[in-house]
Amino acid sequence: SYDLTQPPSVSVSPGQTASIPCSGDKLGDKDVCWYQQKPGQSPVLVIYQDTKRPSGIPERFSGSNSGNIATLTISGTQAMDEADYYCQAWDSSTVFGGGTKLTVL
Amino acid sequence: EMQLVESGGGLVQPGRSLRLSCAASGFTFDDYAMHWVRQAPGKGLEWVSGISWDGGNIDYADSVEGRFTISRDNAKNSLYLQMNSLRAEDTAFYYCAKGDYGDTAGGSFDYWGQGTLVTVSS
Repeated sequence: SYDLTQPPSVSVSPGQTASIPCSGDKLGDKDVCWYQQKPGQSPVLVIYQDTKRPSGIPERFSGSNSGNIATLTISGTQAMDEADYYCQAWDSSTVFGGGTKLTVL
Repeated sequence: EMQLVESGGGLVQPGRSLRLSCAASGFTFDDYAMHWVRQAPGKGLEWVSGISWDGGNIDYADSVEGRFTISRDNAKNSLYLQMNSLRAEDTAFYYCAKGDYGDTAGGSFDYWGQGTLVTVSS
């Protein structure tokens, strides 16, 4: 089965740039999307098809995908961005990464 | 406004069955694939099953294959998950999620319901 690996946690200072990696074999050949989930809430799609932002998602959220690593980047991170983030791809079935807890401190 | 509302969760004994429902509104239901995704308390997301716009393509995670059955009724704008032979490890919040196109292969989940909790315990 296909695996997506994310670090359990990432910390960032307010106003700085947060980068959350997601690794998988030849991941750059697949479409990757990212979800944000805050405590007690349902996941929200923040990036799809590697780099696209759904309507209503702030411009500070961006994505990239090349080689074996996809990255979610949050520029000018705000306290409201503190959440769990999950990457997702498809390889004969839908696969989620294990999730990364972003702490803004 | 797009809405997905799950129902049918609850406490069930191991080995018993439960049927989840998801009522959709605010979009053309029969244009899109639909999926179930679960999340054990304090854990990550796990895709469970997906069904194409017309029900012609259906996929399951290995962990539920043969025990769970996904279905949809486009006339009622509803998605279902029949869960049989439930195990303690099936305990989770179950989310209904809308695919961003008609088939189950690939794509992202652009809208999610609020989830319904299934607890499997004696």
